[in-house]
Amino acid sequence: ETGVTQSPTHLIKTRGQQVTLRCSSQSGHNTVSWYQQALGQGPQFIFQYYREEENGRGNFPPRFSGLQFPNYSSELNVNALELDDSALYLCASSFKGTEKLFFGSGTQLSVL
Amino acid sequence: KQEVTQIPAALSVPEGENLVLNCSFTDSAIYNLQWFRQDPGKGLTSLLLIQSSQREQTSGRLNASLDKSSGRSTLYIAASQPGDSATYLCAVAYTSGTYKYIFGTGTRLKVLA
Repeated sequence: ETGVTQSPTHLIKTRGQQVTLRCSSQSGHNTVSWYQQALGQGPQFIFQYYREEENGRGNFPPRFSGLQFPNYSSELNVNALELDDSALYLCASSFKGTEKLFFGSGTQLSVL
Repeated sequence: KQEVTQIPAALSVPEGENLVLNCSFTDSAIYNLQWFRQDPGKGLTSLLLIQSSQREQTSGRLNASLDKSSGRSTLYIAASQPGDSATYLCAVAYTSGTYKYIFGTGTRLKVLA
């Protein structure tokens, strides 16, 4: 059973740029959620995808967008990066109905 | 507003001590509650999941309890070890189609050898 993998592990961007983060779900899981974790804080829910459709969104602006692919892998895209977007971005997969989350190690994004 | 609070923010204990971490939530209509462990700069590992109909769950030296009426959960760690040093996060999923989790800010635990 493979775990949740995220790439890249670290990323440095400048303000105004765009970024794409990738996540490969755990085998057999059909739901993927993305979270943003600022330093010293708990993760905050960005959105969730189920069967390639957005299935709920947190309090994040539209410049945060996502995709889920038929193989259940996922992307998080952030446009027009701001300094406050600097954070650890976590992907979590689950099987809908159980909701036990399995997290990847995250992508540390720094916006300069 | 649905909020999750964890107390204390940090805790330092000698090896072998039993300890309790606390989590409180403002809205009792939860779907489930999970306790996670996070090592520095890493992702989260699910430790225990309690469904809203359950009162407690146990795994090894860990025991988590849930009291929906009072909006509280506790994570009990028996015979703590230096390897238990990490940040422990409580997360609550509310009854909705999305089951998005609301996290507390965590308790940073250090177990001294």
